[in-house]
Amino acid sequence: SYVLTQPPSVSVAPGQTARITCGGNNIGSKSVHWYQQKPGQAPVLVVYDDSDRPSGIPERFSGSNSGNTATLTISRVEAGDEADYYCQVWDSSSDHPGVFGGGTKLTVL
Amino acid sequence: QITLKESGPTLVKPTQTLTLTCTFSGFSLSTSGVGVGWIRQPPGKALEWLALIYWDDDKRYSPSLKSRLTITKDTSKNQVVLTMTNMDPVDTATYYCAHGIAAAGMGFDPWGQGTLVTVSS
Repeated sequence: SYVLTQPPSVSVAPGQTARITCGGNNIGSKSVHWYQQKPGQAPVLVVYDDSDRPSGIPERFSGSNSGNTATLTISRVEAGDEADYYCQVWDSSSDHPGVFGGGTKLTVL
Repeated sequence: QITLKESGPTLVKPTQTLTLTCTFSGFSLSTSGVGVGWIRQPPGKALEWLALIYWDDDKRYSPSLKSRLTITKDTSKNQVVLTMTNMDPVDTATYYCAHGIAAAGMGFDPWGQGTLVTVSS
């Protein structure tokens, strides 16, 4: 089945830019979604279809996807951005259509 | 406003069958392009996709759990039910249901609050 690989942790100082990667074989051909999950809460969609933002999500959150790597970029990081972030793809033609990455813990220093 | 809420037992014994209900509002599961998915998360671990049912009653399952899962919908009640047979302690997790949109590459938004299911004798 398809595997999505994320770094376990990323650290960044407030005001800087955080980049969280999601690796997968030819992931650039798929739609990638990103979720933010704070402790004790359900995940929240922050980017869908590689680079679109749901309403209410700050413009500081952006996404890109090419080749074998998708990236979630958080600009001007704030303390409130500290959370776990998960990437996800959906391949309706696969026998395992729904796949999540292993998650990345974002620490704001 | 779309909302979803999971309900079901908080404790099940090994070998028992788990039945979870997702009750939603703010959308119809008879609308083209809509789906409802189930995702679980063991304590301290990553998210794992389990199953999804489409508006047209097409159903998809995680291959590793397919033999144990059944997903159904009751459009008139705005509910989706997931059953998982032969529960094991490793199935202890928070179980979430979520609204999916095929037009958005089946991203899930929003999610229910989740329900913690513990498998123990």
